[in-house]
Amino acid sequence: NAGVTQTPKFRILKIGQSMTLQCTQDMNHNYMYWYRQDPGMGLKLIYYSVGAGITDKGEVPNGYNVSRSTTEDFPLRLELAAPSQTSVYFCASINRSGNTIYFGEGSWLTVV
Amino acid sequence: AQKVTQAQTEISVVEKEDVTLDCVYETRDTTYYLFWYKQPPSGELVFLIRRNSFDEQNEISGRYSWNFQKSTSSFNFTITASQVVDSAVYFCALSGPSNTGKLIFGQGTTLQVKP
Repeated sequence: NAGVTQTPKFRILKIGQSMTLQCTQDMNHNYMYWYRQDPGMGLKLIYYSVGAGITDKGEVPNGYNVSRSTTEDFPLRLELAAPSQTSVYFCASINRSGNTIYFGEGSWLTVV
Repeated sequence: AQKVTQAQTEISVVEKEDVTLDCVYETRDTTYYLFWYKQPPSGELVFLIRRNSFDEQNEISGRYSWNFQKSTSSFNFTITASQVVDSAVYFCALSGPSNTGKLIFGQGTTLQVKP
């Protein structure tokens, strides 16, 4: 198993551009999450999904969109990038029992 | 509302010293889960421990130990005989009884271990 895979690892965006952060897991997990980590801070939940076709907002959803068309994939979309979205983004999934949270390696995004 | 507070922003110790990282949490749930993660300079999150609210036994894993006290809503982490490789940011996190991937993180404590 590859676990949770995020792409790209690094990206620089210009203000107003859009992009999609990809997240894929091969563990057949129903629950998936997107977090952001601002410099010197802990992670904050952006969106989560409890299964294909179901998504819900977390603590900081503004400026983002998600979709969950398959169990494996949970992409995060930034429509109009703003400097405030400069952050490290982590995707995660949990197993059926909820005992283990699997985090991706993170995606470093800079908006200039 | 749930909240996690790590009051220590940065701690600096000399190798072989013991160090305790504090974590205080707030929740109205009677069932909840507490976590500690390590984030080395490379940036990934390394899982250290998960503890449910009904298990107040302290846990030891090698040089790491955790002290969970419901009476003071604290879940402190001690590293014994610290090493340079322990230098990292450490996060305490809290989740509710269901959907345990919905974590509330503290702000993190940066630990620097000097040789």
